[in-house]
Amino acid sequence: SQQGEEDPQALSIQEGENATMNCSYKTSINNLQWYRQNSGRGLVHLILIRSNEREKHSGRLRVTLDTSKKSSSLLITASRAADTASYFCATAGSTSYGKLTFGQGTILTVHP
Amino acid sequence: SQTIHQWPATLVQPVGSPLSLECTVEGTSNPNLYWYRQAAGRGLQLLFYSVGIGQISSEVPQNLSASRPQDRQFILSSKKLLLSDSGFYLCARTGASTDTQYFGPGTRLTVL
Repeated sequence: SQQGEEDPQALSIQEGENATMNCSYKTSINNLQWYRQNSGRGLVHLILIRSNEREKHSGRLRVTLDTSKKSSSLLITASRAADTASYFCATAGSTSYGKLTFGQGTILTVHP
Repeated sequence: SQTIHQWPATLVQPVGSPLSLECTVEGTSNPNLYWYRQAAGRGLQLLFYSVGIGQISSEVPQNLSASRPQDRQFILSSKKLLLSDSGFYLCARTGASTDTQYFGPGTRLTVL
């Protein structure tokens, strides 16, 4: 079953603006990850946040995790046209052999 | 390098025909391997995963099967394709840590 649900389904912004995507999940997790997919390509891992962490940064990316609300957000600051892609959250349980449950994704379009 | 090779890149097959998709990986030995399917505009659905040679776990009952004859080889097969088998098939592996997955470029399968 698909545990992660992203919001919004699609987001259109101008270059230089910030983009925020949200993810909700249903069961307890070991970690939550965000992946990026360019059209017709494989996924690329962006960032991982563990269940005992609340916030993590990587370059222009900021991820937050609220386990009490079972939700996470991905913020991309100062967006660029090259950030145009689909973004997926994925959750991993504590005994999952690394299995990930993906959400439906957010399609981000950054206009130059 | 955690490079993953998938072939073919695209495939058009008639209903009822057999299928064999191959995935080979480089990098860390004894990785966990995964097959996902992605329908158009949707998230990823985990089909199979393997924690070692000859060890296959199925996540979704269907007419597909998987095999891992060698440590770095993962094969997805079907004896008779259905229209509903159309989609984008992605192979993934873990690296030194089982937390993060690395994805191949994918195979786009169209069943007519």
